[in-house]
Amino acid sequence: DADVTQTPRNRITKTGKRIMLECSQTKGHDRMYWYRQDPGLGLRLIYYSFDVKDINKGEISDGYSVSRQAQAKFSLSLESAIPNQTALYFCATSDLGTKQETQYFGPGTRLLVL
Amino acid sequence: AQSVTQLDSHVSVSEGTPVLLRCNYSSSYSPSLFWYVQHPNKGLQLLLKYTSAATLVKGINGFEAEFKKSETSFHLTKPSAHMSDAAEYFCVVRKSYNTDKLIFGTGTRLQVFP
Repeated sequence: DADVTQTPRNRITKTGKRIMLECSQTKGHDRMYWYRQDPGLGLRLIYYSFDVKDINKGEISDGYSVSRQAQAKFSLSLESAIPNQTALYFCATSDLGTKQETQYFGPGTRLLVL
Repeated sequence: AQSVTQLDSHVSVSEGTPVLLRCNYSSSYSPSLFWYVQHPNKGLQLLLKYTSAATLVKGINGFEAEFKKSETSFHLTKPSAHMSDAAEYFCVVRKSYNTDKLIFGTGTRLQVFP
């Protein structure tokens, strides 16, 4: 199921570098989310967007920024990467308008900051 | 505030034996609860969800969960484990009644031995 895609799937970068993780979806959902997953901590919400003009901070937005270029695209940027941003990053979408309450996840981007 | 606690970080079973993954929740309102599964190097996939309808919820791949308000539990079960069930499982609660933001448990890694 390639309804939610993420690029790149793996990335190694150095401290201080700016990087962008991209997410695209073909589900036609209005709502998109970025999470990070760390071992033993589950998933934590970084940013979310209810439509192109509506972007909101999640639990752990410091050091991150996002851009909702279109309904189908939601990018996450690390302005100046640091080692504790090493994690697995997931994009997700949902369509609360249908009351489905289900989020659909991409395959993840594994990021290593040296 | 809403929260979920997954009582076991690791569960090991033999193929063909029952699976029980435990989850307790805390919620100030009638919660929406979910179980997601994450196979290695894959995104998260919804197994099942409870949204105040039937308390016994059936999901994909033979899994089911029972919402027990008196015990504040939402344990995930399967009568007979398959090797393909080996994965990480997340219990999730919706943050509040008027949002689709999710709160994830810390995960339970299920191992299935032949």
